[in-house]
Amino acid sequence: QVHLVQSGAEVKKPGASVKVSCMVSGYTFTDYYIHWVRQAPGQGPEWMGWINPNSGGTNYARKFQGRVTMTRDTSISTAYMELNRLKSDDTAIYYCARDMAKWQLLFDYWGQGTLVTVSS
Amino acid sequence: DIVMTQSPDSLAVSLGERATINCKSSQTVLHSSTNKNYLAWYQQKPRQPPRLLIYWASTRESGVPDRFSGSGSGTDFNLTISSLQAEDVAVYFCQHNYNTPPVFGPGTKVDIK
Repeated sequence: QVHLVQSGAEVKKPGASVKVSCMVSGYTFTDYYIHWVRQAPGQGPEWMGWINPNSGGTNYARKFQGRVTMTRDTSISTAYMELNRLKSDDTAIYYCARDMAKWQLLFDYWGQGTLVTVSS
Repeated sequence: DIVMTQSPDSLAVSLGERATINCKSSQTVLHSSTNKNYLAWYQQKPRQPPRLLIYWASTRESGVPDRFSGSGSGTDFNLTISSLQAEDVAVYFCQHNYNTPPVFGPGTKVDIK
């Protein structure tokens, strides 16, 4: 069974950084891209970018370029998303999601979500 | 970026009745080289992540009940629940996967009347 398990909720002050992890199981980590998607309260999901766990290559949404870094550790089948210079409107649930095939931009398995709250 | 809109914002349907949600994209998501519409639908229940229901506009994901169907082409799409069940109460999102960034619609909340 495929599982994506994310790290726990975070509370951060404006200007700080947050790093969320996503550990996968039930399939070969390097076979599928991992995407990061966030969802602010009452809003639709918003795509942030992807990482190719095989090569480490990344592609970030223009909105987050310069502020987000996606990495992975293949030895523990875990992907990471770090967001810097946090603002109050970064308060959201952050999800990792598996791409159902090579770069289809379709998300068939999701993590449970990590609530990141940015507040002074 | 392609903009996705949905209508209505919310709807309430009696159990066993049909529910239809519309999604429009600001430009075509029909890829001429594959003849596929790059449009997906997701269901999201409270405190859960989205669940992929339909992709390529009309292909049901494995395990999705056949009361869910997708239709449409180009820029105009529908998700239909043929006979609403209590467990279908959720927010439904469309999403294009035509190019990056993939964009989700704002969502349609479906409730029981």
